[in-house]
Amino acid sequence: DAGVIQSPRHEVTEMGQEVTLRCKPISGHNSLFWYRQTMMRGLELLIYFNNNVPIDDSGMPEDRFSAKMPNASFSTLKIQPSEPRDSAVYFCASRIAGGGDTQYFGPGTRLTVL
Amino acid sequence: GQQVMQIPQYQHVQEGEDFTTYCNSSTTLSNIQWYKQRPGGHPVFLIQLVKSGEVKKQKRLTFQFGEAKKNSSLHITATQTTDVGTYFCAGPFNAGGTSYGKLTFGQGTILTVHP
Repeated sequence: DAGVIQSPRHEVTEMGQEVTLRCKPISGHNSLFWYRQTMMRGLELLIYFNNNVPIDDSGMPEDRFSAKMPNASFSTLKIQPSEPRDSAVYFCASRIAGGGDTQYFGPGTRLTVL
Repeated sequence: GQQVMQIPQYQHVQEGEDFTTYCNSSTTLSNIQWYKQRPGGHPVFLIQLVKSGEVKKQKRLTFQFGEAKKNSSLHITATQTTDVGTYFCAGPFNAGGTSYGKLTFGQGTILTVHP
């Protein structure tokens, strides 16, 4: 079975540009989580969805960040405009209801904003 | 709010030495999970403990869940270079209501193993 798929795996962009990160959760999973990981701040939960509905976006750092989940098999995290301090690894994870609380992480997108 | 703390933050060991990381929650947990993240990789689920006082083993790894279900530990016997990485504990977020699988992660313990 395919795991969580994220694209791109690496993204280098210039400050001010729009960045879109993509995630395909494991088929059948109900919840989807977006995390950001940096050395300074560790693993931070940005937002999560259940059945495509955003449940908690309190971790989204600023209005520059937005996330959507138009259907059960796709989610995006957008940063507009990007800033150097957004440089981090962004992970998407999914979880199936009734399968405990175990989350399955994607390989991540390493974002560098110059 | 709910907090999950891990110690130590870093641990350097010689290959063959044992290693232990500890996890403490500010609230009682229904379960606790452990994840491993290899350098450059992503967190990977290792195990879930549910019962008070539960002990589970995976080869050289021993996981314990405290009697009060507020703390846990991961012990690695005779570390190998393949054990290098960051070990996270995580507990279900509990602030009343349904959390839909949201987890509160500890800060992680970074393990390095010198051959």
